[in-house]
Amino acid sequence: DADVTQTPRNRITKTGKRIMLECSQTKGHDRMYWYRQDPGLGLRLIYYSFDVKDINKGEISDGYSVSRQAQAKFSLSLESAIPNQTALYFCATRQGPGELFFGEGSRLTVL
Amino acid sequence: DAKTTQPPSMDCAEGRAANLPCNHSTISGNEYVYWYRQIHSQGPQYIIHGLKNNETNEMASLIITEDRKSSTLILPHATLRDTAVYYCIVRVGHSGGSNYKLTFGKGTLLTVNP
Repeated sequence: DADVTQTPRNRITKTGKRIMLECSQTKGHDRMYWYRQDPGLGLRLIYYSFDVKDINKGEISDGYSVSRQAQAKFSLSLESAIPNQTALYFCATRQGPGELFFGEGSRLTVL
Repeated sequence: DAKTTQPPSMDCAEGRAANLPCNHSTISGNEYVYWYRQIHSQGPQYIIHGLKNNETNEMASLIITEDRKSSTLILPHATLRDTAVYYCIVRVGHSGGSNYKLTFGKGTLLTVNP
């Protein structure tokens, strides 16, 4: 089993729908991150959390919200999806100053 | 935040060393250089990081210039499976200590040719 699990792996939805992407980890890490990747661009940080009570906006947080339900779970929500939120989304975790561990990605298509 | 500049693409012959450059001329004295790679839409994978000394692990070597304004990631014997986008990242501090985030740019697409 993967240490960082993202669900769903693929999702097609319509404009205006509410979407939640979930991330769970078994590594016991305190820090969790959500990134977005678009073709030809690098990974852009949406939100990050250093512990359950510490959530911070990244460089492209508009249109997104997050919830850190527990140390092991970090969810990303799109309250009203729009087509330009079509992208590949990655969750990542780390412990302290260690390296990032990424999930396998969630491909979201908004029609 | 220190920014990085990487060539958009590079080619390398299989079995040869791949040398990927990164410029980070505005790096601060306490900022680390990290390298990750991403193989075709998979989650990025950590490779190596360093502060000012050269570093080596089972995957690669990292050479940082004395003035720390640039670095080179070296894959000593590139294989076809090393074809990926390689990201050079400088650590960005948050509230100090171990609380920091990493910002990924566009990276270098390394293509290893048979």
